Amino acid sequence: DAGVTQSPTHLIKTRGQQVTLRCSPKSGHDTVSWYQQALGQGPQFIFQYYEEEERQRGNFPDRFSGHQFPNYSSELNVNALLLGDSALYLCASSFGLAVRPTLSGANVLTFGAGSRLTVL
Amino acid sequence: GDSVTQMEGPVTLSEEAFLTINCTYTATGYPSLFWYVQYPGEGLQLLLKATKADDKGSNKGFEATYRKETTSFHLEKGSVQVSDSAVYFCALSDIAGGTSYGKLTFGQGTILTVHP
Repeated sequence: DAGVTQSPTHLIKTRGQQVTLRCSPKSGHDTVSWYQQALGQGPQFIFQYYEEEERQRGNFPDRFSGHQFPNYSSELNVNALLLGDSALYLCASSFGLAVRPTLSGANVLTFGAGSRLTVL
Repeated sequence: GDSVTQMEGPVTLSEEAFLTINCTYTATGYPSLFWYVQYPGEGLQLLLKATKADDKGSNKGFEATYRKETTSFHLEKGSVQVSDSAVYFCALSDIAGGTSYGKLTFGQGTILTVHP
């Protein structure tokens, strides 16, 4: 059973460029959340998609945008890249808009291994 | 806004030593609290959770108790193993009752290294 898969695993961009990161949720999950994890920091919530709509958003500028497709996969787009956008971008999937994390496996917020973005 | 503060790391222990990683939080209402673990090259994994005051979450020998009076959720393990070496994150959700809606607020993480 494949978990959350993210691509690419690593990429390097220069300031001002645009980047697209992709995420396939765990089988059976329909909700995708994106997090940014700077080096040595905890993840910060960017936004969440459910039923192809952005449902919640963290404190990130409009340069960060996303999309969810009918098959529940998702993309994170970042425009006009800044040096400070260098980070590990984590995708997490879950079932339904209300997530009840359990240890039995049902409705657990499942994270991918991330895409590491370096902006030069 | 909500925030989570973890003890400064890194933490280095010998195998079979006792582990405590402190975590305190600030939140309005009654959040649910979590510990996640991140092994090298892997995604975050939920380690344990507690959804209300005085709840004790436990898993794989790790424990943490939701202390509303001290706004704390310290992680403990009686005897650590080399395989416990990882980064540990304390987190809270802003929705009571365990529903996170996918939005978690994380602490900065604590690196744990266990030597044989």
